[in-house]
Amino acid sequence: EADIYQTPRYLVIGTGKKITLECSQTMGHDKMYWYQQDPGMELHLIHYSYGVNSTEKGDLSSESTVSRIRTEHFPLTLESARPSHTSQYLCASSGSISTDTQYFGPGTRLTVL
Amino acid sequence: AQSVTQLGSHVSVSEGALVLLRCNYSSSVPPYLFWYVQYPNQGLQLLLKYTSAATLVKGINGFEAEFKKSETSFHLTKPSAHMSDAAEYFCAVSFSGNTPLVFGKGTRLSVIA
Repeated sequence: EADIYQTPRYLVIGTGKKITLECSQTMGHDKMYWYQQDPGMELHLIHYSYGVNSTEKGDLSSESTVSRIRTEHFPLTLESARPSHTSQYLCASSGSISTDTQYFGPGTRLTVL
Repeated sequence: AQSVTQLGSHVSVSEGALVLLRCNYSSSVPPYLFWYVQYPNQGLQLLLKYTSAATLVKGINGFEAEFKKSETSFHLTKPSAHMSDAAEYFCAVSFSGNTPLVFGKGTRLSVIA
């Protein structure tokens, strides 16, 4: 059973609001990831981290930012939400070697009005 | 360029029929390969993975996949489809320990009663 948590599960907010999506894992994984996924569509990697104080942008340009101050915590922040940010956001983590399984959280479904 | 391709964005089978979901990769060296399943409103869950120990890999829920280096393929099969198999399936490839997993665009499996 994977121990990776995301809060909130669902969020509806107005345009211009600042929001932070939380992601935590209790497996001690060094690597963590954020994906954006529209319903029934492909995954887009938006941010990843290979350790504390290390963050990288993914393949999809995103207006969000991330931080990695603690191994177990990888929050994603949108400074000013817009309707185009409406999507599902999935957090994942994995161990350090290539064959390690990537575990996913349940996702946060964000709707910006 | 390193890439992964899933042929068929939507596959429909009858209950009890064979399931075949296709995945091909492009790489100069054999990668590590994964199949994930996603049920509605959930994160992704690992079905199985190839880590070079055996070319035929058995996973959860009766699924299996065979790594064929000559065909650069890792197709997912299940002898008899069940209604509960209806979901989105993603093939993913680890080309390097220093880069994130590359996911295919996904295949939606529908099972008809």
